[in-house]
Amino acid sequence: NAGVTQTPKFQVLKTGQSMTLQCAQDMNHNSMYWYRQDPGMGLRLIYYSASEGTTDKGEVPNGYNVSRLNKREFSLRLESAAPSQTSVYFCASSWVLGNQPQHFGDGTRLSIL
Amino acid sequence: GENVEQHPSTLSVQEGDSAVIKCTYSDSASNYFPWYKQELGKGPQLIIDIRSNVGEKKDQRIAVTLNKTAKHFSLHITETQPEDSAVYFCAAKTSYDKVIFGPGTSLSVIP
Repeated sequence: NAGVTQTPKFQVLKTGQSMTLQCAQDMNHNSMYWYRQDPGMGLRLIYYSASEGTTDKGEVPNGYNVSRLNKREFSLRLESAAPSQTSVYFCASSWVLGNQPQHFGDGTRLSIL
Repeated sequence: GENVEQHPSTLSVQEGDSAVIKCTYSDSASNYFPWYKQELGKGPQLIIDIRSNVGEKKDQRIAVTLNKTAKHFSLHITETQPEDSAVYFCAAKTSYDKVIFGPGTSLSVIP
């Protein structure tokens, strides 16, 4: 039982490059989330998907896009990477949106030069 | 907007002592409060949660208390062990079904 799997684990980009972070969960959860974690700022929600076929903006959506490919997969895309997007990115999932615990992946450590 | 404050930001305790982490939330409609533990290089992992109709919940050495009137909740770890060393996050579900996280507490348990 893998839970939430994120790929890649590490990535270095140059400013202006694009890339997609992948996330898949095998728990049949309806809701999925993307967070970024920066020192001293906790976890900030970028985008979320309450259910398959829907996506919504979180606290810090600028510079990102998402795709809920199917119930299992939720990807995060950086179209033109900027140094301010250097961070650790976490994907999470839960049965439903709101008062249910979220299960997190182990993160993607992204550096943008 | 809604926010969650968490104190202290760092905490060092001797092995066997207790550790307490405190959080406050702003949205009075919040009704779900999870706590997560994050070990180095890993994602956050749920360790305990509490809902607004309960004032206290225990799970072995971990307990969480909730004071809805004061809008604060706390994590208590008793008989701390070196493996308890990690970053701990509190969180609160807002009235918009979003979960807002506190900034985290780095706990060090000194053998």
